[in-house]
Amino acid sequence: AQRVTQPEKLLSVFKGAPVELKCNYSYSGSPELFWYVQYSRQRLQLLLRHISRESIKGFTADLNKGETSFHLKKPFAQEEDSAMYYCAPNDYKLSFGAGTTVTVRA
Amino acid sequence: KAGVTQTPRYLIKTRGQQVTLSCSPISGHRSVSWYQQTPGQGLQFLFEYFSETQRNKGNFPGRFSGRQFSNSRSEMNVSTLELGDSALYLCASSLTSAWETQYFGPGTRLLVL
Repeated sequence: AQRVTQPEKLLSVFKGAPVELKCNYSYSGSPELFWYVQYSRQRLQLLLRHISRESIKGFTADLNKGETSFHLKKPFAQEEDSAMYYCAPNDYKLSFGAGTTVTVRA
Repeated sequence: KAGVTQTPRYLIKTRGQQVTLSCSPISGHRSVSWYQQTPGQGLQFLFEYFSETQRNKGNFPGRFSGRQFSNSRSEMNVSTLELGDSALYLCASSLTSAWETQYFGPGTRLLVL
């Protein structure tokens, strides 16, 4: 069965510190990989798409096909990065992880 | 371009009733997907429509159905509502395929009493 795991439910970092959100997936095929983000009182939106490398807010993600992981990273977190982040493999339908709530402290 | 719109934004129903939710995609987008978001189950895929045809379906009972019109607008219907159907229902549109980047609406929050 398809499975997406985001092991951290909550993540708190200080402004300027690096942040990494983990995502592991288990799929029978090769899904396209996305990260979506939801800022407070805003709608869910695309943060990063693996195949096109399109990304907002300076985030990157490394695909490790051997480990089937797609961890999200940013070298210097900003307060506006506080949000809920979802890893979402896509095999013609998005499957979302449980999400990680990131809080960036001043 | 205007974003994805969903109506109504909030809805209160009682058990046994049925409900219809509406979604208008971004102009030019022909694929519309629906998702259910609950605290317990998270975000789950319901179904996807393209050219008025259901192209993909998630693991939900037959009480959940949908349709798409020729202008790509979509509706989702839930019959015989149960308390567990209380959720935020999200609609997302993409150009031609759910495999592409999806653009989400604000959601319809349904409360079943």
